[in-house]
Amino acid sequence: GQQVMQIPQYQHVQEGEDFTTYCNSSTTLSNIQWYKQRPGGHPVFLIQLVKSGEVKKQKRLTFQFGEAKKNSSLHITATQTTDVGTYFCAAGGGGGNKLTFGTGTQLKVEL
Amino acid sequence: DTAVSQTPKYLVTQMGNDKSIKCEQNLGHDTMYWYKQDSKKFLKIMFSYNNKELIINETVPNRFSPKSPDKAHLNLHINSLELGDSAVYFCASSQGFRQGAGGANVLTFGAGSRLTVL
Repeated sequence: GQQVMQIPQYQHVQEGEDFTTYCNSSTTLSNIQWYKQRPGGHPVFLIQLVKSGEVKKQKRLTFQFGEAKKNSSLHITATQTTDVGTYFCAAGGGGGNKLTFGTGTQLKVEL
Repeated sequence: DTAVSQTPKYLVTQMGNDKSIKCEQNLGHDTMYWYKQDSKKFLKIMFSYNNKELIINETVPNRFSPKSPDKAHLNLHINSLELGDSAVYFCASSQGFRQGAGGANVLTFGAGSRLTVL
């Protein structure tokens, strides 16, 4: 079945540092979504990317979809303590109609 | 006015017992899901229903039985609970289930039900 890997699994940063998580699929995707889960909370939808090479921004967050539609990244500029949580990519397509969640990246931000 | 609500939030039970988790969405969505999140935070889909019809049934022990009485409700019944069933179970819904543009497959999650089997 479709596999979606995310790296790194964990990341500790100092407040103000940048952070990037990468998502890689074994198959070409129709779309990719990103979700954020705060500690003790539930995943919340952030964004969806559909087009090859697409780049979208939400304030300090920048999302990219690879040219081959097999990978994606989320970059946070100047992290804040409110960015703490686990970030998941979720890949659509790859031969099926279901979303496959990536393994997640747990971000901790220290003052 | 919670969009996706699931009960109970916490469930502690003994091995071998049977338990149910209920889920309701008031978003008018056609598709509902059950996801399992283990202690390492991996999120795995278990089941999906579209308009009361089962469309995704992953490799899940048949001790787990979903039921969708209508498109706004999706319940999960678990028989003969085992230690390995301890996890957080998330219900989710989406407008539709087809992948691609349009966002029909964007998920709205419930708050989760933490199941602990002793």
